[in-house]
Amino acid sequence: GAGVSQSPSNKVTEKGKDVELRCDPISGHTALYWYRQSLGQGLEFLIYFQGNSAPDKSGLPSDRFSAERTGGSVSTLTIQRTQQEDSAVYLCASSADRGRNEKLFFGSGTQLSVL
Amino acid sequence: GNSVTQMEGPVTLSEEAFLTINCTYTATGYPSLFWYVQYPGEGLQLLLKATKADDKGSNKGFEATYRKETTSFHLEKGSVQVSDSAVYFCALSASGGYQKVTFGTGTKLQVIP
Repeated sequence: GAGVSQSPSNKVTEKGKDVELRCDPISGHTALYWYRQSLGQGLEFLIYFQGNSAPDKSGLPSDRFSAERTGGSVSTLTIQRTQQEDSAVYLCASSADRGRNEKLFFGSGTQLSVL
Repeated sequence: GNSVTQMEGPVTLSEEAFLTINCTYTATGYPSLFWYVQYPGEGLQLLLKATKADDKGSNKGFEATYRKETTSFHLEKGSVQVSDSAVYFCALSASGGYQKVTFGTGTKLQVIP
């Protein structure tokens, strides 16, 4: 596609429910990242994928959070038993390779609200 | 670990004023440095970057110089416009291994006519 696509753009859920957030990276981009942006906070790193593997999961806040990537393309971030503190904008980004000078292309994010 | 510290916002300027947004970093080795911008209702996009000491990144009238001696990468623009109103994020990509990008907290800029 032309850019990184995330869905849904907005998600309202009840505390304790599970949610799935989807990211479609730019075609051919091997690296994929998930970040979380909370009000008044910076971008908090969650997880990084190179291809289908995730060499760095160090940012996942708890075992309620998991992510997978299939076919070296689409990624899904799953949050189980959502809590109010999970409310944030979840951003996905992709880049062409693992080089540290490579710029990230961001999606518009999913605004998650946990009531 | 690596970290990025940005000046607190919001910053409010009149059109044509000079802009400086301070950014300092902590990292091992020789990171690459970036400024990303998030315009209202849009996703983050790269504004400029510098990959080694004394490099100057520039784009759309914005500039930032990689200062290793002061571990800084301050963003500057000589004359801001209303259309520059956005949130600006300083970021670094650590040397060695894969490109994990660490972001600052962001600085909101509002330019008034």
